[in-house]
Amino acid sequence: IQLTQSPSSLSASVGDRVTITCRASQGIDNYLAWYQQEPGKAPKLLIYAASSLQSGVPSRFSGSGSGTDFTLTISSLQPEDFATYYCQHLNSYPFAFGPGTKVDIK
Amino acid sequence: EVQLVESGGGLVQPGRSLRLSCVASGFTFDNYAMYWVRLAPGKGLEWVSGINWNSGGIGYADSVKGRFTISRDNAKNSLYLQMNSLRVEDTALYYCAKDKAGAFDYWGQGTLVTVSS
Repeated sequence: IQLTQSPSSLSASVGDRVTITCRASQGIDNYLAWYQQEPGKAPKLLIYAASSLQSGVPSRFSGSGSGTDFTLTISSLQPEDFATYYCQHLNSYPFAFGPGTKVDIK
Repeated sequence: EVQLVESGGGLVQPGRSLRLSCVASGFTFDNYAMYWVRLAPGKGLEWVSGINWNSGGIGYADSVKGRFTISRDNAKNSLYLQMNSLRVEDTALYYCAKDKAGAFDYWGQGTLVTVSS
């Protein structure tokens, strides 16, 4: 199962609404997670099971989708959100990550 | 507090071997599957391997299958990755991560593997 993400990068301003999409090459039900990675830091889990918010993650992050098409939305971008975002499927081995979406400051 | 601490990385020549370790604390280790993920310079995250709680279910990325072996010792709260026939393209920061039944909820800080002559 392959994952694609779009866009590969985007420039946005604080307060903007940001949407990142992830598409799977075949249906994966809701076995999809989203992670945020800042430079020099370990990845951080944001969303699991496609739409469940990980404990401690701000509510401006949300996930949706099922099957092959998924979305991560940041409702109001904050300065600490400038990072790279990855989707990951956990439907069956081998698990895989998407290529990533880099969000930087406009 | 959950902690995952990787070790064993270093500089190694192509074709040689290296064994990575990850020591876990702060949770009941033998209740959870565990994973290895790597981040190569200038690249994105790559899932490497996973092992379920009793070592009965194991998987590998195609890029490492036949060269890498994952294992665990629940008595020592430890996860391992035996890496043989290393290639330049295996150069990366290797993370261990804990399963959350549908995601990886805790990650270590990584151990750097550099494959170069």
